[in-house]
Amino acid sequence: DAGVIQSPRHEVTEMGQEVTLRCKPISGHDYLFWYRQTMMRGLELLIYFNNNVPIDDSGMPEDRFSAKMPNASFSTLKIQPSEPRDSAVYFCASSLLRTQGKGGELFFGEGSRLTVL
Amino acid sequence: AQSVTQLGSHVSVSEGALVLLRCNYSSSVPPYLFWYVQYPNQGLQLLLKYTTGATLVKGINGFEAEFKKSETSFHLTKPSAHMSDAAEYFCAVSFGNQFYFGTGTSLTVIP
Repeated sequence: DAGVIQSPRHEVTEMGQEVTLRCKPISGHDYLFWYRQTMMRGLELLIYFNNNVPIDDSGMPEDRFSAKMPNASFSTLKIQPSEPRDSAVYFCASSLLRTQGKGGELFFGEGSRLTVL
Repeated sequence: AQSVTQLGSHVSVSEGALVLLRCNYSSSVPPYLFWYVQYPNQGLQLLLKYTTGATLVKGINGFEAEFKKSETSFHLTKPSAHMSDAAEYFCAVSFGNQFYFGTGTSLTVIP
């Protein structure tokens, strides 16, 4: 079975440019999470969706960040305009509703490494 | 409030030695507990988890962890370290659909 698929794996861009990161969750999973990982701050939850609906976006750092989930098999995280301090690895993870509350685990993608110059 | 504390951001062991990575949690309700491993340039991969039942949980690659409610701990162990165990390890707790991750412990294995 395919796992969580993220693209691009690496992105290098210049300050001020728009960045779009993409995620395809595991088929049938109905929770989707976006995390950001940096050396300084560790793993931070940015936003999560349930059945394509954003549930908690309190971790989104500022208005430059936005996330969408137009359908059950696709989500995007957009940064516009990007800044050097956005440089990080961004992870997408998914899980299954019926296992939530019963110890269901998160399944992570390989991550998208973003470098903003 | 729920939180996870990993004691020691860096741990070094000799190849063949015991691996012990510490994790303590705070929770007002019984948690579900997880250990994830992250190899360089990869995502997090589940090592093992505790939900209910037996408090000693066995995972992949020879790792195991014991849930000790009285100590609010879920320490990860492996009897004999292998070079391939060098990685970042994260402890996590979940309550419903909320997951809380520790800050991670980087394991170095010395040949």
